[in-house]
Amino acid sequence: AQSVSQHNHHVILSEAASLELGCNYSYGGTVNLFWYVQYPGQHLQLLLKYFSGDPLVKGIKGFEAEFIKSKFSFNLRKPSVQWSDTAEYFCAVTTYSSASKIIFGSGTRLSIRP
Amino acid sequence: GAVVSQHPSWVICKSGTSVKIECRSLDFQATTMFWYRQFPKQSLMLMATSNEGSKATYEQGVEKDKFLINHASLTLSTLTVTSAHPEDSSFYICSAELAGVNTGELFFGEGSRLTVL
Repeated sequence: AQSVSQHNHHVILSEAASLELGCNYSYGGTVNLFWYVQYPGQHLQLLLKYFSGDPLVKGIKGFEAEFIKSKFSFNLRKPSVQWSDTAEYFCAVTTYSSASKIIFGSGTRLSIRP
Repeated sequence: GAVVSQHPSWVICKSGTSVKIECRSLDFQATTMFWYRQFPKQSLMLMATSNEGSKATYEQGVEKDKFLINHASLTLSTLTVTSAHPEDSSFYICSAELAGVNTGELFFGEGSRLTVL
């Protein structure tokens, strides 16, 4: 069965630090990859997505993620975080054969010290 | 962007009663909606896929008689927790996919927190 692993459960950074959140998935076929963000008290919202093409994907608010097929990874990065980036981040995957059945990782809580 | 709204945002009920949670797509039609359950500090767990005009598809381990899902229109799906017990207390979230689009990009509701006393 497909699964998504996020190894960092809670990350604490100072403002202006660089961020990288890990995400690995297990599935041998074609996948669509997502990062969702949940700000305190708000809906889950899409940060960025990868369907095909350039494996380096740019998202909103300066985030980017790189799909490395050989490593089954889709790590999220941001060169300089802000206090407003404090949120829960979820990596997710759908497969070509089941495009609507999204599998989420366990999430990474990001806390930014002002 | 597409907006999904849930109601109520939070509800407290007595053990043994039933609670209905609504999920509406406000500015788009959704033939498919999804219901999730989220435990504290854990990920979203897909409970069921709600298809407009047909029966919901439940994930393994989810009791369909316990969690009744109805998707009577292209903009509304409801989840009814029947004979709720304290262990049903959780955060329930719905999501919707744009009709005719099958990419996995979903729009989420704000969630409904259920507390069963």
